[in-house]
Amino acid sequence: GAGVSQSPSNKVTEKGKDVELRCDPISGHTALYWYRQSLGQGLEFLIYFQGNSAPDKSGLPSDRFSAERTGGSVSTLTIQRTQQEDSAVYLCASSLATGGVYGYTFGSGTRLTVV
Amino acid sequence: GQQLNQSPQSMFIQEGEDVSMNCTSSSIFNTWLWYKQDPGEGPVLLIALYKAGELTSNGRLTAQFGITRKDSFLNISASIPSDVGIYFCAGHPYGQNFVFGPGTRLSVLP
Repeated sequence: GAGVSQSPSNKVTEKGKDVELRCDPISGHTALYWYRQSLGQGLEFLIYFQGNSAPDKSGLPSDRFSAERTGGSVSTLTIQRTQQEDSAVYLCASSLATGGVYGYTFGSGTRLTVV
Repeated sequence: GQQLNQSPQSMFIQEGEDVSMNCTSSSIFNTWLWYKQDPGEGPVLLIALYKAGELTSNGRLTAQFGITRKDSFLNISASIPSDVGIYFCAGHPYGQNFVFGPGTRLSVLP
């Protein structure tokens, strides 16, 4: 697609429920990133996918968080047993290779609210 | 890990004023990027810098890649209300992913 598409744009869930957030990167972008942005804060790196390589999961805050990328395209970030501190905007970005020249293109994010 | 510092953290300015903000690191970077995030949106790339000393403009925005390769500056001239948002710098160390700064929050008063 023309840009990075994320869905849903907003998600309200009850504490303890599981949620899935979807990211559809720009066609041809081999690298995909997930970031978390708490209210008024900066970008917290979560996970990075590059082609068929093993993902860099070093930013995932707990084992309740996981992500997969199917067919080198669409990615799903799953949060199990959600907690109130998981409330944040989850941003997805994609880039050509490691984005050394062109940087990242971000989606508009999914605003997650855990009540 | 590598960290970027941005200053100021936030600023309130009058419409029409010029704005200056900077980004510093203890590490050398090969590329500097400046992004702007509007409320409720994802960050959008404003300017990319690839060479030490490089000065690049995009409309009223001007950014510079510091000579030491450890810093970058962004200036906005004659600010307007739509300049409101969070400005992020990002530095690219060789062979690694970009590192993002914590952001500078800009408010423009009419």
